[in-house]
Amino acid sequence: SAVISQKPSRDICQRGTSLTIQCQVDSQVTMMFWYRQQPGQSLTLIATANQGSEATYESGFVIDKFPISRPNLTFSTLTVSNMSPEDSSIYLCSVLATGTEAFFGQGTRLTVV
Amino acid sequence: GENVEQHPSTLSVQEGDSAVIKCTYSDSASNYFPWYKQELGKRPQLIIDIRSNVGEKKDQRIAVTLNKTAKHFSLHITETQPEDSAVYFCAPDAGGTSYGKLTFGQGTILTVHP
Repeated sequence: SAVISQKPSRDICQRGTSLTIQCQVDSQVTMMFWYRQQPGQSLTLIATANQGSEATYESGFVIDKFPISRPNLTFSTLTVSNMSPEDSSIYLCSVLATGTEAFFGQGTRLTVV
Repeated sequence: GENVEQHPSTLSVQEGDSAVIKCTYSDSASNYFPWYKQELGKRPQLIIDIRSNVGEKKDQRIAVTLNKTAKHFSLHITETQPEDSAVYFCAPDAGGTSYGKLTFGQGTILTVHP
């Protein structure tokens, strides 16, 4: 299994500002994933973050809006830049453990006003 | 990319009844088929998964069946209990070089009435 600590757990931000979300894992993992879950919706993959290489973004998500860092095998950050109310969502980091099972952080509930 | 359809979107049952949720997918390279349960305000948690070389897997009251030819897999919950009430997501992986990338279905809100 994997224990993931994600912070902040929630935040209320002004439009036009940026928020950086941190994800810390209790073991070394090769791949980390960032998902967005809009209110009442499913999870959508934003990007895959591998240590030592650039993050890979899914269709509809760009690096300028969601820059990601992956400085080592236990830590990653996702920044939501130049926020608008449409960015209000829950953001979750995820890692693979035991080969295939995905574990999730507790999520960051972001409200943009 | 993978297209995932999950049905029904809502399911209401009486305690003790069975519940079945179906997930269809499009990517023939997918070989890992998990189901996640998300309680209100909580993170998704894996409840059962199956690999493409297996047709059925059971864990107490929960089972998953896979039809790889037809590209669908289903979650079966027997003897439902009020604590089974949650949102359930299927999330087949992308397979191949996209290992680990999950595409989530739209979710099924299961309500179990006492």
